[in-house]
Amino acid sequence: EAGVTQFPSHSVIEKGQTVTLRCDPISGHDNLYWYRRVMGKEIKFLLHFVKESKQDESGMPNNRFLAERTGGTYSTLKVQPAELEDSGVYFCASSRFRMNTEAFFGQGTRLTVV
Amino acid sequence: DAKTTQPPSMDCAEGRAANLPCNHSTISGNEYVYWYRQIHSQGPQYIIHGLKNNETNEMASLIITEDRKSSTLILPHATLRDTAVYYCIFWGSGNTGKLIFGQGTTLQVKP
Repeated sequence: EAGVTQFPSHSVIEKGQTVTLRCDPISGHDNLYWYRRVMGKEIKFLLHFVKESKQDESGMPNNRFLAERTGGTYSTLKVQPAELEDSGVYFCASSRFRMNTEAFFGQGTRLTVV
Repeated sequence: DAKTTQPPSMDCAEGRAANLPCNHSTISGNEYVYWYRQIHSQGPQYIIHGLKNNETNEMASLIITEDRKSSTLILPHATLRDTAVYYCIFWGSGNTGKLIFGQGTTLQVKP
């Protein structure tokens, strides 16, 4: 089966611009997660979708970040306007169940804000 | 959030067993111990998980102490490709479904 796919793999944008990251989970996985790692820090949870509903968005840093999952399939994470501190690697993961299961991660999107 | 403690780094000779410890003294009864690893510039990769009993799969073995306050991930025959950061994580805490990554252990497998 196809894995979790993220697009783009790299993005370089200027401060103040908008960027949209996309994640295609594994087909049939209702649970979709966004994580990010900023330079030198740990991987941090951003939010969790169950189908199209936001189950937990406690990790979203501020209102410049907007995540959507229309139709419960792919998800987008928009950063608007981007700031320098948003630079990092954004990972998406999906799982069939919420607990006692394996989460599959994508390769990540490396975002650089200059 | 639930906390785990891992040594920051370890070395292992190629072909030997790598034993990676994790302390999780605050784990509660319904929380599973998960191990993931991140090979440089890739997304985290699931390795194994368990609740009470020892577990084994094609990648590794997981030994959980009887009191569940610590566990050990065993890579039976480490290869150079096993060089990665290994994370010991709880899943199930608060029924949130999210993984809490710590600093992990950087395992360096040497020829």
